[in-house]
Amino acid sequence: NAGVTQTPKFQVLKTGQSMTLQCAQDMNHEYMSWYRQDPGMGLRLIHYSVGAGITDQGEVPNGYNVSRSTTEDFPLRLLSAAPSQTSVYFCASSRTSGAPLSTDTQYFGPGTRLTVL
Amino acid sequence: LAKTTQPISMDSYEGQEVNITCSHNNIATNDYITWYQQFPSQGPRFIIQGYKTKVTNEVASLFIPADRKSSTLSLPRVSLSDTAVYYCLVHPDSGGYNKLIFGAGTRLAVHP
Repeated sequence: NAGVTQTPKFQVLKTGQSMTLQCAQDMNHEYMSWYRQDPGMGLRLIHYSVGAGITDQGEVPNGYNVSRSTTEDFPLRLLSAAPSQTSVYFCASSRTSGAPLSTDTQYFGPGTRLTVL
Repeated sequence: LAKTTQPISMDSYEGQEVNITCSHNNIATNDYITWYQQFPSQGPRFIIQGYKTKVTNEVASLFIPADRKSSTLSLPRVSLSDTAVYYCLVHPDSGGYNKLIFGAGTRLAVHP
């Protein structure tokens, strides 16, 4: 299994540009999430999904959109990039469908480093 | 979600045992304690999880006292490759999605 994959690894945008960060997982996980991590800080939840067609907001959702049309993919869209969105973005997945009810452990992707000028 | 407090940074030397303590005074009855490890330029990685007493795996041990108001991650005989940020998280086993709260973590530096 490749686990959680993210593309691109690095991206530079100008203010006002739009782009989509891609995230895919091959573990048949129900839950997927997007986090951002700013220098010296922990991760903050942006959006999450508990299954195909179901998404919800996290702690810092403004300026970001998500959709979940398949179990495997969970793209994050920046509609109009701002310098405040310069950060490292991590995608994560958890919860195998049908698994015993137990606490989740999240599997994280390698991250996308985004700079907005 | 219960708030956690852990040291900002720690230093150690190769071969030593490292103990990182996390305080979570407001932990709820159905909360679990989970530790993640993050290397530079990588996403966090699950290390260990527990509810009470002691849990051990091939990477670390987790000690949880009876009152569960704190927990201690123990890394035996650390090496340079254990240099990373360690996060302590407390979250419920609700059966649904767990919104994990990552604080700033503890930055562990292992020296030769």
